[in-house]
Amino acid sequence: QQPVQSPQAVILREGEDAVINCSSSKALYSVHWYRQKHGEAPVFLMILLKGGEQKGHEKISASFNEKKQQSSLYLTASQLSYSGTYFCGTPTQGAQKLVFGQGTRLTINP
Amino acid sequence: SQTIHQWPATLVQPVGSPLSLECTVEGTSNPNLYWYRQAAGRGLQLLFYSVGIGQISSEVPQNLSASRPQDRQFILSSKKLLLSDSGFYLCAWSPLSGGIAGNIQYFGAGTRLSVL
Repeated sequence: QQPVQSPQAVILREGEDAVINCSSSKALYSVHWYRQKHGEAPVFLMILLKGGEQKGHEKISASFNEKKQQSSLYLTASQLSYSGTYFCGTPTQGAQKLVFGQGTRLTINP
Repeated sequence: SQTIHQWPATLVQPVGSPLSLECTVEGTSNPNLYWYRQAAGRGLQLLFYSVGIGQISSEVPQNLSASRPQDRQFILSSKKLLLSDSGFYLCAWSPLSGGIAGNIQYFGAGTRLSVL
């Protein structure tokens, strides 16, 4: 079951904040976050392993709520380098593979 | 450290021609290996994954196939390409055991395939 991301696209000015959400209809044991810059391969950002846990990467942090079966990615004081498409992924089928959301395209303008 | 190599970076092929994309991983043993396809502006579609030599799981029935002849080598093939096979093909690897949390995946640089 593919997780659902929202919004599908965000346009910000440099320095503004953004929140990207990832929801699942199934119980989540973890949520993985990746960023893919235009024309490049996805790069792992962070993994959230238990409910309520927050992790950080640069000025990007994330939370994971097991009960609500969702995770949120927070981008604070966005920089031009944050532009790209963000994917959340959840493990499935014996945890051998990830199912990715459809992606959220983030555009940061100067 | 572990590295993943994928080639070629770009490929233009006529409809009906065969395809072979190769992916190799260095610096690790017994990795899980994955092939994804990404259409322009779209998400990541898992095509195949492998948990060991000769073990291939197919996610989407189509005219593509995958093989894992060696522990750290993963090959994506087609006998006859279709226009709809165009896209960005990504190989990824993950450690064998990530537990119930799943395994972090590390992607190769990708192959951009245009079928004309």
